[in-house]
Amino acid sequence: EAGVTQFPSHSVIEKGQTVTLRCDPISGHDNLYWYRRVMGKEIKFLLHFVKESKQDESGMPNNRFLAERTGGTYSTLKVQPAELEDSGVYFCASSPVAATGELFFGEGSRLTVL
Amino acid sequence: GENVEQHPSTLSVQEGDSAVIKCTYSDSASNYFPWYKQELGKRPQLIIDIRSNVGEKKDQRIAVTLNKTAKHFSLHITETQPEDSAVYFCAASSPKGTYKYIFGTGTRLKVLA
Repeated sequence: EAGVTQFPSHSVIEKGQTVTLRCDPISGHDNLYWYRRVMGKEIKFLLHFVKESKQDESGMPNNRFLAERTGGTYSTLKVQPAELEDSGVYFCASSPVAATGELFFGEGSRLTVL
Repeated sequence: GENVEQHPSTLSVQEGDSAVIKCTYSDSASNYFPWYKQELGKRPQLIIDIRSNVGEKKDQRIAVTLNKTAKHFSLHITETQPEDSAVYFCAASSPKGTYKYIFGTGTRLKVLA
């Protein structure tokens, strides 16, 4: 069974540009989470989807970040316009509807804003 | 706000020795405490977890202890091996957010051969 996949693995952009990160959760997982790790700090919650609905977006830093989950399958996280402080590793995780607690993480998308 | 403190940030041990990583959480409603291991360039993976209704859980060389009163939980790795070298993250979760995790800052463990 395929795990959570994220694309791209690494993106380098200039300040002010736009980047879109994509996450494909494990098939059948209704819960999808986005997290971010800024270098040396904690992995911080951004938001949580249940199917296509945003359950909790309390961790989204500001309105430059837009997350969508089309049809309750894959999700995208768009940063527009990107700022230097947006650099970090963006992790996606998923879990089934009958969640036991374990989140299944992707390998992350490293974003570098110059 | 809710937070999880994790110590130490780096830990070096000789192969065969034990390693202990400690975390403290702030939200008394937290009831699920997973530990994730992230090897270099790979995804974080769950290695062990504990729920608030138990005080200790063991899986081979790995154990986790939980002190609800003090809001502390710890990861213990015995007989460390080079392949244990990784970054370890503790997390706390409450029923409020359907397993929305609050993570610690991570511990980089180096096991020296």
